[in-house]
Amino acid sequence: QVQLVQSGAEVKKTGASVKVSCKASGYTFTSNQMHWVRQAPGQGLEWMGWINPSSADTKYAQKFQGRVSMTRDLSPATVYMELTSLRSDDTAMYYCARRYSFGYDYWGQGTLVTVSP
Amino acid sequence: QSALTQPPSASGSPGQSVTISCTGISSDVGGYNSVSWYQQHPGKAPKLIIYDVSKRPSGVPDRFSGSKSGNTASLTVSAVQADDEADYYCNSYASSNNWLFGGGTKLTVL
Repeated sequence: QVQLVQSGAEVKKTGASVKVSCKASGYTFTSNQMHWVRQAPGQGLEWMGWINPSSADTKYAQKFQGRVSMTRDLSPATVYMELTSLRSDDTAMYYCARRYSFGYDYWGQGTLVTVSP
Repeated sequence: QSALTQPPSASGSPGQSVTISCTGISSDVGGYNSVSWYQQHPGKAPKLIIYDVSKRPSGVPDRFSGSKSGNTASLTVSAVQADDEADYYCNSYASSNNWLFGGGTKLTVL
């Protein structure tokens, strides 16, 4: 069965960086784009970008350009999202989500990133 | 790019139908058959309920249906049940390999 397992919660200081991992299993890792989505406390979903695990091509939302980097390892099948120059408004739950056709059919459990002064 | 526009709230009594709209522009919702919908219960990850505008993943009840007309997509929940009370989000491809979410709609079952 398809599983996306994310790394644990993080607490970071303002200005620091965070790297969240998403380990995939149960399917051919290189067949589907992986997207990252975040959700600030009490707020809606926000699309951050995607990585093609086959080619390592990436696309980032304009809002995060210059601060975000998405990478992957083929073995084990894992994608990473690194966000730099953290601010208090980066405090959020970060999700990886597998793209299937025009939709995200499997989601990780989420990683809470808390940014404190 | 701005978020897609959804009403903040919607409500219905058990057994009624509720429709939630998702409005974009011609370069996102209107330009592609790429709208998907997600249900999110408190403290949980979102769950895909509609993709490719109107397709349902296996296991999703046929009470959930999706459609699109012009720049507006819609999610209809027929015969609403207590467990349908949740937040609902739309998502669309938005050209140049970008994607957009709607602001979310809180569905209350009265």
